[in-house]
Order: sequence, then C-alpha cells, then structure tokens
Amino acid sequence: DSGVTQTPKHLITATGQRVTLRCSPRSGDLSVYWYQQSLDQGLQFLIHYYNGEERAKGNILERFSAQQFPDLHSELNLSSLELGDSALYFCASSLAGRGGRADTQYFGPGTRLTVL
Amino acid sequence: AQKITQTQPGMFVQEKEAVTLDCTYDTSDQSYGLFWYKQPSSGEMIFLIYQGSYDEQNATEGRYSLNFQKARKSANLVISASQLGDSAMYFCAMRPHFGNEKLTFGTGTRLTIIP
Repeated sequence: DSGVTQTPKHLITATGQRVTLRCSPRSGDLSVYWYQQSLDQGLQFLIHYYNGEERAKGNILERFSAQQFPDLHSELNLSSLELGDSALYFCASSLAGRGGRADTQYFGPGTRLTVL
Repeated sequence: AQKITQTQPGMFVQEKEAVTLDCTYDTSDQSYGLFWYKQPSSGEMIFLIYQGSYDEQNATEGRYSLNFQKARKSANLVISASQLGDSAMYFCAMRPHFGNEKLTFGTGTRLTIIP
C-alpha cells in the first residue's frame, strides 16, 4: 500500500458526461501528479500541483481540469467525455517535487474510466 | 526533452533464475533520477528502485538492483532469484532533478515467470 488513495476505483459513464476523480496524497506529501495510462498512448503526464498551486502541465486536454485543495487532496475533472478518454487514471504524490530519491513519486491504485 | 526506450515487449523466465530488463534513456539534463515501477495485473504502480545520475554506486533494494551505465545511458533492472509474483509489467522512468518534475515512462516490458 503506497499510502495514496484514489476514488472511485472504477467508473463507467456515457459520452458527453462529466466525471470527477479524487486523490488523497500520502501524509506529508505536498505534490500531486496526475497521469493517464491508455493502450495506445502509454503513461502520459497530465498535470502537477504543489501545495495547492499548479506547477506544470503536460498533454492535458482543455476538457480536463484539476485542482488541489487546502487539505492537499486533488480532483481531476473530465468533461464532454469521448470514447478515447477511456483509460486508467493515476494520481501520484511526492514530498516536495524538487527531485532526488526523497522525492520519489508514489502512485495510487488508479481509477479505471470506461466511456460507453 | 527526455526519452525512455524499453526494447523488450515481453520476456519469459524460469522461476528462480535472474532476469535483466533493459532500459536506455536520452536526456540533455545533467542531473536526473531513474526509476523502475512494477505494474501487476491488478493495475497499481509499485515503486521498486531509484538511481540518481550522480550516485557512484548502483542502487539495490532487496532482490532488485539497477545496473547503471551513465556513459551508455542505460539503467537496466536486475531481478535475482525470480518468483512467480514477479510476473508483471515493468516500467522504466526518469525525471530531471530540476525543472519539470514529471516522470517520463518507457513502453514497458511484460515479464512472465514460468514455474
């Protein structure tokens, strides 16, 4: 158990809908990262938050947004869902996001999103 | 930009044998970290081992060791005395120590341990 929690574990929804994925980082970690894992694209970085502020963006679609709250949990919002958004979405957390062994990213169990 | 290459899509290894999973990388950063993660069929990503670019010794964590050859830009994972529970996908990843802290992943190697 990495200490990172994600809910829900599975999510099935229809095209055009909106969903929210939730992540709670390990105790003491200030950085939260979101990744998408799909069969055709592999593991892709979406976005990074540090202590409530957006730190870096990857290939995140405009239909997707995220935020990190004062208690450090994070939510990833996916809207106008398309079939191609079906994937495993991971949240990871690290101590501070400054590099080095101490800043290893630990992953949650993931949320498997299926868009029908 | 960073790039990770894992050239072995799948490997079959007899139980109790050692196995080496290949990873090469490309980066213009001078200071960076290399990571290996294990993804069993259940889906979670489990951190295995870390190697810093300036670490003089190869990293070891239990049965896992990292064969780091900086000049060749390779960071191969060695699993000694393989077990059935080692069957999983293995991903090599890297991130720079400064700047964007995202992990860049390879495409993974599916390891199957044969009893």
